[in-house]
Amino acid sequence: DAKTTQPPSMDCAEGRAANLPCNHSTISGNEYVYWYRQIHSQGPQYIIHGLKNNETNEMASLIITEDRKSSTLILPHATLRDTAVYYCIVRPITGGGNKLTFGTGTQLKVEL
Amino acid sequence: DTGVSQDPRHKITKRGQNVTFRCDPISEHNRLYWYRQTLGQGPEFLTYFQNEAQLEKSRLLSDRFSAERPKGSFSTLEIQRTEQGDSAMYLCASSLHGTSGTGELFFGEGSRLTVL
Repeated sequence: DAKTTQPPSMDCAEGRAANLPCNHSTISGNEYVYWYRQIHSQGPQYIIHGLKNNETNEMASLIITEDRKSSTLILPHATLRDTAVYYCIVRPITGGGNKLTFGTGTQLKVEL
Repeated sequence: DTGVSQDPRHKITKRGQNVTFRCDPISEHNRLYWYRQTLGQGPEFLTYFQNEAQLEKSRLLSDRFSAERPKGSFSTLEIQRTEQGDSAMYLCASSLHGTSGTGELFFGEGSRLTVL
């Protein structure tokens, strides 16, 4: 599976957009980009995923560069409850058992 | 809410004892995964099942660890002769593999093991 690189930590003011970057320069054409987050003392939670196109759901937007070597997760109006570790993961479309390979993620701290 | 449930949530044991964790996945999900997470690290894959078949095991899963999913529903993870290095959060996840869904994994809240 392709490796991802994320900043270890970021801060964001409540109500502002949080933009979390991820580099996945070795991603192959048959790999999705997934984002999960883990709030303290809870299990990871799915946020969004994409292949080539930008995606949006009720939680976040995912912007994938045209060369697919990086992506950005956008939380449009961050709240204190968005404080969590955010994991960017690349995963094959088929094969590999759908398992996820987590890195160390980005600790996002949302402050007043 | 019939999400993934894990039991017990916390377990403290002495070194050398055996422990068993149980995971009840979302009822229609055919895949079940076990992960281990230590402080400051992301979850590490241990093993997964499709229905009752164990399809992959990580080399992290030493011979002291055994996982079962006897009827393709709940699963157990047993650790024999526990060591202090086994102290971690053990996470279970399930997913629906096949004709529909995004294949996303739904995680339980984990079972925290402390080995004294």
